[in-house]
Amino acid sequence: GQNIDQPTEMTATEGAIVQINCTYQTSGFNGLFWYQQHAGEAPTFLSYNVLDGLEEKGRFSSFLSRSKGYSYLLLKELQMKDSASYLCAVTDSNYQLIWGAGTKLIIKP
Amino acid sequence: NAGVTQTPKFRILKIGQSMTLQCTQDMNHNYMYWYRQDPGMGLKLIYYSVGAGITDKGEVPNGYNVSRSTTEDFPLRLELAAPSQTSVYFCASSYEATSGNTIYFGEGSWLTVV
Repeated sequence: GQNIDQPTEMTATEGAIVQINCTYQTSGFNGLFWYQQHAGEAPTFLSYNVLDGLEEKGRFSSFLSRSKGYSYLLLKELQMKDSASYLCAVTDSNYQLIWGAGTKLIIKP
Repeated sequence: NAGVTQTPKFRILKIGQSMTLQCTQDMNHNYMYWYRQDPGMGLKLIYYSVGAGITDKGEVPNGYNVSRSTTEDFPLRLELAAPSQTSVYFCASSYEATSGNTIYFGEGSWLTVV
């Protein structure tokens, strides 16, 4: 079966750095997305990785290792507004998006 | 820019009632999707469409129907509402298949079946 695993919940302090991990087992791989979802709102796009390595975009970076079936989202200089759920999603060989359950990130002052 | 617009935002249905969730996008995207999101669960694909006149089942299609008569519109129909269909529904669209193409979501529709 196809599976994406992420921690259910994480807590971090304002101004700190947090890394959210995602491991996947899917039938094929055609890219990995990270989306941010604030409570009661729609998911919004954060990053996309298809090749191994690190993609940096401001305070957010995303890393991919295809051989390990592993990705992480790194959030630096955490702000209270970063409190949200972070969804990992993988495009499989049929170009279907498989979604993880999301990681709820709680930022404390 | 409107993006993806879905209505209604909130709805309470009685068991056995029917309703349609409306979805329209103004980005000229070929691909459109309907997802449901249950608490603590990932997004589950209900139906999707790769263009006008073409629809396909996703992971959880039972109890739902869709149509795609135009590029812009992709309504989701619930024929006989059941409590198991209580969920948040998201309509989404993308220009092409999801390899590298961002999916844009509507704001969500909260549906409760009692």
